[in-house]
Amino acid sequence: GAVVSQHPSWVICKSGTSVKIECRSLDFQATTMFWYRQFPKQSLMLMATSNEGSKATYEQGVEKDKFLINHASLTLSTLTVTSAHPEDSSFYICSADAGTGSNEQYFGPGTRLTVT
Amino acid sequence: QQQVKQSPQSLIVQKGGISIINCAYENTAFDYFPWYQQFPGKGPALLIAIRPDVSEKKEGRFTISFNKSAKQFSLHIMDSQPGDSATYFCAASTGSNYKLTFGKGTLLTVNP
Repeated sequence: GAVVSQHPSWVICKSGTSVKIECRSLDFQATTMFWYRQFPKQSLMLMATSNEGSKATYEQGVEKDKFLINHASLTLSTLTVTSAHPEDSSFYICSADAGTGSNEQYFGPGTRLTVT
Repeated sequence: QQQVKQSPQSLIVQKGGISIINCAYENTAFDYFPWYQQFPGKGPALLIAIRPDVSEKKEGRFTISFNKSAKQFSLHIMDSQPGDSATYFCAASTGSNYKLTFGKGTLLTVNP
């Protein structure tokens, strides 16, 4: 149980285009989902907290107009990188709160974004 | 301000040895301390977690030791295996918002 999937697993796009990444909780409902980015050989950096049916809360320094997050249902959150540039190339990972009040988060497999 | 400090940055252990990774935190509001294992190109996987009301938790070859007064916690991997070679992250969160603060990670290499 507690499986989180992401789609796509990797994507290459041209500079200036937008890319959407999906995060799904497959066997549980996730009231809260989190989006992280991770650069090579670095730790995970929280970008935003996504709550179902409400606006996402972004961490300081994260451009909300560039990284659009939509949490339309209890099993799906999406991250859209708008007008992507090479510096947006990174590993994007989502996680979902298990909803048990235990603080446990389950992570997706990640999406590798390369902007050319 | 780094709220969770992790050491060492890298660690090389022989097969069958004990791997020890340490973390220290500053925020006394943290009440959940998980350890994650990450393989290259994959998302982190929860290994084991502890809360401040216990000093030790063991699951198989993995043990967390927790020292609340020192604000430190550590991961011990007994009988380390080459398959344990990965990056390990400690993290911490509070019950109020569940946001995880991660350490910088430790690259563990277990030589056969």
